Amino acid sequence: SQQGEEDPQALSIQEGENATMNCSYKTSINNLQWYRQNSGRGLVHLILIRSNEREKHSGRLRVTLDTSKKSSSLLITASRAADTASYFCATDASGGSYIPTFGRGTSLIVHP
Amino acid sequence: NAGVTQTPKFRVLKTGQSMTLLCAQDMNHEYMYWYRQDPGMGLRLIHYSVGEGTTAKGEVPDGYNVSRLKKQNFLLGLESAAPSQTSVYFCASSRQGVTDTQYFGPGTRLTVL
Repeated sequence: SQQGEEDPQALSIQEGENATMNCSYKTSINNLQWYRQNSGRGLVHLILIRSNEREKHSGRLRVTLDTSKKSSSLLITASRAADTASYFCATDASGGSYIPTFGRGTSLIVHP
Repeated sequence: NAGVTQTPKFRVLKTGQSMTLLCAQDMNHEYMYWYRQDPGMGLRLIHYSVGEGTTAKGEVPDGYNVSRLKKQNFLLGLESAAPSQTSVYFCASSRQGVTDTQYFGPGTRLTVL
């Protein structure tokens, strides 16, 4: 079963708008990562946020983590057509598991 | 650096045939992973390795075997392919464990008829 689940499953916006997607997980984690997957390609790492961090920025990306609610959000500001992709969150279990767990992803379409 | 490479990129098998997928990384990473991705699903971990000579089962290991004889290579084998194994397979590697960034290969699209 997936540890992390993204919401919404699909998101369609216009270029220039902000895109927000969320990830909820079930058990305590050490860190949470966000990845992007362009159609037909492998995943590319975007950002990692540790359990003791609440917010992190990287360019137009802003990630927040609320461990009390077991959730994270990824905000893409001023979206571009090139941001069209699927976005996945990946979590580990704080029990020391080596198994990373990915959600089903959010499919983002940015219309030019 | 090539990063993580996978061969082949595409393959069509008949039920019962066998094949091996090869993953190679040139980043000297200790950890390597094999995932499968099905439509509407996230990535599910098949097997992983925490170092040369080691392998371990992931979430969906049945029907697959792996070997890590060399640090840079991680092989995924299907001994008797089944239609349920039709999927896109991704290999990944990371310097350390699950808390580290994973670098993914481009994927192998496998169809089992």
